[in-house]
Amino acid sequence: AQSVTQPDIHITVSEGASLELRCNYSYGATPYLFWYVQSPGQGLQLLLKYFSGDTLVQGIKGFEAEFKRSQSSFNLRKPSVHWSDAAEYFCAVGLRWEYGNKLVFGAGTILRVKS
Amino acid sequence: GAGVSQSPSNKVTEKGKDVELRCDPISGHTALYWYRQRLGQGLEFLIYFQGNSAPDKSGLPSDRFSAERTGESVSTLTIQRTQQEDSAVYLCASTLAGQTYSTDTQYFGPGTRLTVL
Repeated sequence: AQSVTQPDIHITVSEGASLELRCNYSYGATPYLFWYVQSPGQGLQLLLKYFSGDTLVQGIKGFEAEFKRSQSSFNLRKPSVHWSDAAEYFCAVGLRWEYGNKLVFGAGTILRVKS
Repeated sequence: GAGVSQSPSNKVTEKGKDVELRCDPISGHTALYWYRQRLGQGLEFLIYFQGNSAPDKSGLPSDRFSAERTGESVSTLTIQRTQQEDSAVYLCASTLAGQTYSTDTQYFGPGTRLTVL
């Protein structure tokens, strides 16, 4: 069955430090991959997505992610974290589906930023 | 333009009562999704609408859950005889079109937090 694993429930980083959030997926075919961010009281906002092509994807707010097929991973990175990045981050696999793409989400990683 | 909106933002109800949750998708978006987010968990797919029809209801957890969509816009998710395990945030998302193998981005609303006492 398709699944997404985000091994870290919570991560705390200092402002200005680099960040990497891990995501592993299980899916038989080449996946569509997404990272979403959810701030308190807000809906999920798309950070970036991978469908094909270049395995290093650039997103909004200075985030990037790298698709590694051999490791079934799609880790999210940011070179320098800002206090406003504190939020919950969700990785998702988009299953190729006759109606579009159905998203299967990981459990999320809560990012705390300390000053 | 306006994003996906949901109402109410919070709903507290007693066990056994019925609740209705509303979603207004982005204007012109024909595809609409409902998800449930339990505390500490990722989002679970509930139901998908293409226009006013629901070709995929596979995620609805029981027959107490139902949803409808009218006028290719507003959708209502109804939970009958609510149970404590229904407590969760219910999120709605819409996309421009649900074409085969579409890569359209899903745009999410802020969700409705449902608490069943």
